[in-house]
Amino acid sequence: LAKTTQPISMDSYEGQEVNITCSHNNIATNDYITWYQQFPSQGPRFIIQGYKTKVTNEVASLFIPADRKSSTLSLPRVSLSDTAVYYCLVGDSNSGYALNFGKGTSLLVTP
Amino acid sequence: DAGVIQSPRHEVTEMGQEVTLRCKPISGHDYLFWYRQTMMRGLELLIYFNNNVPIDDSGMPEDRFSAKMPNASFSTLKIQPSEPRDSAVYFCASTREGPYEQYFGPGTRLTVT
Repeated sequence: LAKTTQPISMDSYEGQEVNITCSHNNIATNDYITWYQQFPSQGPRFIIQGYKTKVTNEVASLFIPADRKSSTLSLPRVSLSDTAVYYCLVGDSNSGYALNFGKGTSLLVTP
Repeated sequence: DAGVIQSPRHEVTEMGQEVTLRCKPISGHDYLFWYRQTMMRGLELLIYFNNNVPIDDSGMPEDRFSAKMPNASFSTLKIQPSEPRDSAVYFCASTREGPYEQYFGPGTRLTVT
């Protein structure tokens, strides 16, 4: 399974764009990159998934360079409610696409 | 759909007692996952099933832990005997075949005294 590395924590002010980068040097050809968000006392919730280039939805954007060895989750104009832990995962269909959550990146948004 | 259902939501037990956690996945989902979350270790995968068959249980910490999925709509995670270090939040999640998101249950907060 491809291992991921992401910052332990990040701080931001309200209204700013936040970019969280995840490193996955050993990503395999069939692997997808998936990001989840977790609020306290809740289970993780899916944010976005991609295979290559750029993916955008109503919540975030995911940028994946050509070599796919890293990915960046971009949260536009964060609010206090975006304070959460963000997980980057890599996996393929043989493993249900997402397994190694680890500790994620703890994002704190302040006024 | 009611989402993934877990019971109980909270469990307090004494060391040495047997603990059984229960999970009902979303109907039609092929995969079921059991995770454990602690401050020290983050969110760890314990075991996952595909079509009711255990695929990878390498994350199960020791023989005290066991998991079953007798049918597509029910799974259990059992700890016998329980120890204080088993105190954690246990999550169950399910998903469909393919690159689809996992849906997590609300978790069971286990405290072993």
